[in-house]
Amino acid sequence: AAGVIQSPRHLIKEKRETATLKCYPIPRHDTVYWYQQGPGQDPQFLISFYEKMQSDKGSIPDRFSAQQFSDYHSELNMSSLELGDSALYFCASSLGRLEAFFGQGTRLTVV
Amino acid sequence: DAKTTQPPSMDCAEGRAANLPCNHSTISGNEYVYWYRQIHSQGPQYIIHGLKNNETNEMASLIITEDRKSSTLILPHATLRDTAVYYCIAQGSGGGADGLTFGKGTHLIIQP
Repeated sequence: AAGVIQSPRHLIKEKRETATLKCYPIPRHDTVYWYQQGPGQDPQFLISFYEKMQSDKGSIPDRFSAQQFSDYHSELNMSSLELGDSALYFCASSLGRLEAFFGQGTRLTVV
Repeated sequence: DAKTTQPPSMDCAEGRAANLPCNHSTISGNEYVYWYRQIHSQGPQYIIHGLKNNETNEMASLIITEDRKSSTLILPHATLRDTAVYYCIAQGSGGGADGLTFGKGTHLIIQP
């Protein structure tokens, strides 16, 4: 069965650069969620979208923005990267409020 | 969302039932109990959820006490692949993955 696809799987950026992470939800899923997991930390909710509209917002820094497109894929844009942004970034998708499925994550390293 | 408390780690022998406790004494009436697990550096995986009745699926069983202040996740026949961090989450509005507070979870180690 198709799963949530995240790209790239690994990304290395320098401080103050920008990064764009992409998430392709499971077909027919209309809701996407973004989570950040720092080294040794538990996942932290960033933001979610339902039917291309922002649904909920967590601890997402102002330097980050995200959107969901007409084909339901989502992108997380990160600017002015800091060393502390190094983390695993997970995307999840669901059909409405049903069970959510997480992708394998993007490992971002800021140097 | 209500705070949950879990033991930081547990061991279980392969083939035995793994019983993972969770305390959520401040859970409110509309909050569900969700269980996820995360195998090292992989994305969290949904296991099961419930409101007040016991639930069972192909992965696990969820036993919720009558007062809903605690619950137990049961993996009936643990295998080595069940070694993971298990998160118990109390979430309002039931469903999806909005604003899940994962906490530290229980690191379950299945011993051969």
